[in-house]
Amino acid sequence: DVKVTQSSRYLVKRTGEKVFLECVQDMDHENMFWYRQDPGLGLRLIYFSYDVKMKEKGDIPEGYSVSREKKERFSLILESASTNQTSMYLCASSSTRRLLTGNTIYFGEGSWLTVV
Amino acid sequence: AQSVSQHNHHVILSEAASLELGCNYSYGGTVNLFWYVQYPGQHLQLLLKYFSGDPLVKGIKGFEAEFIKSKFSFNLRKPSVQWIGTAEYFCAVNVRGSSNTGKLIFGQGTTLQVKP
Repeated sequence: DVKVTQSSRYLVKRTGEKVFLECVQDMDHENMFWYRQDPGLGLRLIYFSYDVKMKEKGDIPEGYSVSREKKERFSLILESASTNQTSMYLCASSSTRRLLTGNTIYFGEGSWLTVV
Repeated sequence: AQSVSQHNHHVILSEAASLELGCNYSYGGTVNLFWYVQYPGQHLQLLLKYFSGDPLVKGIKGFEAEFIKSKFSFNLRKPSVQWIGTAEYFCAVNVRGSSNTGKLIFGQGTTLQVKP
């Protein structure tokens, strides 16, 4: 069974702090994603990575950066947290090898970040 | 740009009523289509997906969805809903064949409240 694990379920940080959200998957997936979920807006893609050290901007990358040094781990970084980054953050992964037969994305349980 | 629209933001039903949640997308090429559900405090769970073949797909928990290509729609249906409290349903589209394959675009979500 695919498992996507996010290290922190609930975080409270102060404005201006540097925040790291960590995500690990155990299925050797090539693709990893970070979304944020806000009421009435659905899930919006922040960044995704299709290989180690490779990354692409999603729809709302401003204020965020990412790191993928190992295949199983994808980190989201808020260099200087702001109150408008208070949100639920979801990590996901998927396999490119299964692309033609059905490429399902698997999600972690989410990290609730509050910036005060 | 591709987009996904869910028509109903909040739906309230009585137990045993029939359910239909609308989803439309804007993209003229080949797409993969998904419906996810999220219960409070839990991770996103895949209900069903469409990749090819029979446009009527059946998923878990008695859900089904019909892909109507001419209408760019993928509506979710269930003949009779059970009392589950509140859950949020997300429609998502993956544009197949693009360099961003695996990148899911989500709708805004529909909150379903089922009353006993």
